[in-house]
Amino acid sequence: AQSVTQLDSQVPVFEEAPVELRCNYSSSVSVYLFWYVQYPNQGLQLLLKYLSGSTLVKGINGFEAEFNKSQTSFHLRKPSVHISDTAEYFCAVSDRSGGSNYKLTFGKGTLLTVNP
Amino acid sequence: DSGVTQTPKHLITATGQRVTLRCSPRSGDLSVYWYQQSLDQGLQFLIQYYNGEERAKGNILERFSAQQFPDLHSELNLSSLELGDSALYFCASRVAEGGYTFGSGTRLTVV
Repeated sequence: AQSVTQLDSQVPVFEEAPVELRCNYSSSVSVYLFWYVQYPNQGLQLLLKYLSGSTLVKGINGFEAEFNKSQTSFHLRKPSVHISDTAEYFCAVSDRSGGSNYKLTFGKGTLLTVNP
Repeated sequence: DSGVTQTPKHLITATGQRVTLRCSPRSGDLSVYWYQQSLDQGLQFLIQYYNGEERAKGNILERFSAQQFPDLHSELNLSSLELGDSALYFCASRVAEGGYTFGSGTRLTVV
């Protein structure tokens, strides 16, 4: 079984400031890792994913994340946020081997609020 | 547009009633995953179908059932509805190794 912990339920920042949203996971098997974004009253949009290879993953809208296997973390970062980045962000994992048929296990989410 | 279509977008119904949520995956995608998003439980995996067959089951109540049809669309049936079933219900397709695309969801309100 896998679990995901998003360490901050809310992160308020000012516009143009850097931001880091923290995600730790627990799994007995190798995993794929994802970050999704959900804007108000919308569905889930994939920001980025780590499948293999370089541990630094770049995604859409200037976001990036770094996979740290030893710390079982996959923190999301952006060097300079915009008002439009205000949304809820979800970290998720799935079993790399196809266990449970690749179902996603999500964290509880982090609400990023960007203030002017 | 993710290519995953969910209908209806909104649904308001009374306790004790039964509803059906529909999902059409992206063209060519064989898999459908259903998730429930509520304020207290967060995003929970309900059930997965692949090419018409149930493949994995998560935290799905016995009052809920699903199926996938030969044209690959899927329906999630929720019966004997309770106030606590009010939530956003998403379906998703697995589009590549480990990748998913989600529909825009059905917001169910039970009154």
